[in-house]
Amino acid sequence: SSELTQDPAVSVALGQTVRITCQGDSLRSYYASWYQQKPGQAPVLVIYGKNNRPSGIPDRFSGSSSGNTASLTITGAQAEDEADYYCNSRDSSGNPQFGGGTKLTVL
Amino acid sequence: EVQLVQSGAEVKKPGESLKISCKGSGYSFTSYWIGWVRQMPGKGLEWMGIIYPGDSDTRYSPSFQGQVTISADKSISTAYLQWSSLKASDTAMYYCASGVSSPYVWYFDYWGQGTLVTVSS
Repeated sequence: SSELTQDPAVSVALGQTVRITCQGDSLRSYYASWYQQKPGQAPVLVIYGKNNRPSGIPDRFSGSSSGNTASLTITGAQAEDEADYYCNSRDSSGNPQFGGGTKLTVL
Repeated sequence: EVQLVQSGAEVKKPGESLKISCKGSGYSFTSYWIGWVRQMPGKGLEWMGIIYPGDSDTRYSPSFQGQVTISADKSISTAYLQWSSLKASDTAMYYCASGVSSPYVWYFDYWGQGTLVTVSS
């Protein structure tokens, strides 16, 4: 079982704002990173560190953290944002770990 | 342009061995971790292990320790994931990804296209 916990599914109306969360004790000490995965494709990094977006990632994606919870916020969700989203952090040994994933549906 | 190019799909029988590859280009292969990630059909991402090609430091997820072997040949910028005896439950998509580790964050910034491994009698 994953030490990072995500809601299995979240939905959002087109153009609205959605927050996808990731909970785990390691998040009190380390930042989360977030990945988007569309069907049949490899994951894509969308947020890393405190709130950094790789080149090419729209600025409607943002990250935040409070206590043991990290959040990925999509402000003004688009149809193309429908995908699975995974959080990732490091554990105390310095190794990576993934959350179980959240399926985002854009209505 | 950073690229990770993985070897092609494989169909194997239970008990057979297998080694799949991941070739990096467009960046300093020895300066970043390479991770292997499993995704079983319809399931989430699972970290299997990581290797730092610069010094071959290798770490395994407890779930995969003893089940697979990760290696790298820095002379050809290629990392490998191998099994000595496949099981049907190894059927999955396997991704490699370049990893960045710092005191406060870990992330995989570039991913390979994936290698589909099917194990069936």
